[in-house]
Amino acid sequence: SQQGEEDPQALSIQEGENATMNCSYKTSINNLQWYRQNSGRGLVHLILIRSNEREKHSGRLRVTLDTSKKSSSLLITASRAADTASYFCATDAGYGNKLVFGAGTILRVKS
Amino acid sequence: GAGVSQSPRYKVAKRGQDVALRCDPISGHVSLFWYQQALGQGPEFLTYFQNEAQLDKSGLPSDRFFAERPEGSVSTLKIQRTQQEDSAVYLCASSRGSYNEQFFGPGTRLTVL
Repeated sequence: SQQGEEDPQALSIQEGENATMNCSYKTSINNLQWYRQNSGRGLVHLILIRSNEREKHSGRLRVTLDTSKKSSSLLITASRAADTASYFCATDAGYGNKLVFGAGTILRVKS
Repeated sequence: GAGVSQSPRYKVAKRGQDVALRCDPISGHVSLFWYQQALGQGPEFLTYFQNEAQLDKSGLPSDRFFAERPEGSVSTLKIQRTQQEDSAVYLCASSRGSYNEQFFGPGTRLTVL
């Protein structure tokens, strides 16, 4: 069974616009990670945010974490066609090792 | 190596055949994970090794699935008597240890006919 849910399931935007994806989860966590997966390829690690952090940045990516609401968001600014992919959040569900993934958000950036 | 590698990238098996999938983790990573990803879904945990010890195999769907990591580096996931429902992408990941980022390989796409 999957821990979290991403919202929306699919998102289509124009190049240059910002994209926001949300993730909700059910149990307490030590950290939450975001991954990108291009069609037919493996998962690329984007960012890890720990439970005592509220916000983290990496290039055009901004991740927030609200442990009281058990939710996280991923913001991609100034999107590019190359950002087209599926995005997954994953938590350690308190275990510290195995990850529990949501079903993902499919992002399409139109040029 | 520079990243996690997996082989083969694609495997077609007839129902009832045994298959073996290989994972080479990032050098020095003590933790190794196997996940199964069905089409259109997120990955689901299968099993976890710390060095050569298999610490969690709670996600293995049946006793037809077996994983090993005898020397604490390369791992093999074996599926015996494959069934059509085993068709999926099998992903391997490694990390420096608990609470750290997991880095994934490209996966093996298994199709059981």
